[in-house]
Parts: sequence; C-alpha cells; structure tokens
Amino acid sequence: KAGVTQTPRYLIKTRGQQVTLSCSPISGHRSVSWYQQTPGQGLQFLFEYFSETQRNKGNFPGRFSGRQFSNSRSEMNVSTLELGDSALYLCASSLDGIPAYGYTFGSGTRLTVV
Amino acid sequence: AQSVTQLDSHVSVSEGTPVLLRCNYSSSYSPSLFWYVQHPNKGLQLLLKYTSAATLVKGINGFEAEFKKSETSFHLTKPSAHMSDAAEYFCVVSLYGGATNKLIFGTGTLLAVQP
Repeated sequence: KAGVTQTPRYLIKTRGQQVTLSCSPISGHRSVSWYQQTPGQGLQFLFEYFSETQRNKGNFPGRFSGRQFSNSRSEMNVSTLELGDSALYLCASSLDGIPAYGYTFGSGTRLTVV
Repeated sequence: AQSVTQLDSHVSVSEGTPVLLRCNYSSSYSPSLFWYVQHPNKGLQLLLKYTSAATLVKGINGFEAEFKKSETSFHLTKPSAHMSDAAEYFCVVSLYGGATNKLIFGTGTLLAVQP
C-alpha cells in the first residue's frame, strides 16, 4: 500500500509570508501528527489530528495551525514566517493515534525561510 | 514526566564490528519505547518497538534492543555494522492517552561506519 505522502518536498519562503504543507496518510489511517525537526531543538511535536479534529497540541505559537479533511489528508499552515521556522516538517500517519501501535512517517517537507 | 536521554551524540565504528547506541529513559509508568532511524534527507523509519511484551526486541536490518527496567535503559545493538547503517538514530518514548498521544524523541545519535 502507498506510504505517507508529503508535498511539497522543498519550499523556500520569505519572512512574513505564510505557507501550507500537505500530508496524505496511509489509506485507512485516521490519525495524522506533525513534527518539526531543527538542528537546535531536535524533533518536536506540533499537533495531532484525528477524524478531522485536533486532539492534541504541542507548545508552538498560534502561527502554527492545521486541519484535517474527511479523507484524513491533513494540512499544516504557518503564518507570518520567521527565520527560525526553517526546518524539516514531518508528518506521521497511524490507524488511531496510539503510539504503541506504530506511526509511519513521511519523507518530510524541507522549509527554508529567507 | 516521560523523557529519553541518548548518551552519545556521535558513534563511529568500523564495518563488521558491533554497534551499541545507548538510551536511558524516564517514565512514571511502563513505557512504550522505540528506535527510529533517519537516513540523510529522508523521513523516519521504525527499527523496533517495545510495548511491555518480551524485553529483548528484534527489529529490522539485524538490530535489536533490550529493555532493562532496573537500569531504565533501552540500548540498541547490532552484531556487525554495515556501511548502509550510517544514519542518525533516535530513541523515542511515547505518551498515550486521549489528548496526549505523541512521541518524545531523544536528541539523536549519529552513527558513522568506517570502511
């Protein structure tokens, strides 16, 4: 079966702009989680969506938001971009969000803010 | 609170020699623990997971890890390193429960394999 698809793979944006990233989970999976990876902070949890509802949120400012559609595809939006938002953004797909049952990660979107 | 500490940021081994990547965890209850691997410019791939079954967990590509409650450790090992094992490895503990489903990552260990 198809894996987790993240688009685009690479993005370059200017400070102050906004950006939308997309994640298509494995067919049948209803939970999508987002993580930010930076050299300084490592991998940090952004939020989790399950059945179109945000179920869980990490410690990120309100500029970071997301949503999930009825087909479980999820989008993440970052408004008013800052240089520090440059990172690899990874999404993880799972059947129901229970970590012990396994998450499958996409290849990520590399965002560069200039 | 749950956390993991990876004791080495860099490990270098020669091809064909054993690999040991060390991880200690902190958890107020019996944890679920994972090792993920990330190759350059790639996403994260699950190597193995411990979820309170057998304490010795076998994963993909010849890796295994042993859960030791008395030492709060979950070290990753492989008997013989291969060049393709060069990557970054993350020890991970999970939080689960309604509004708290998430993974907590260690800071990573970069494994270099010398020919």
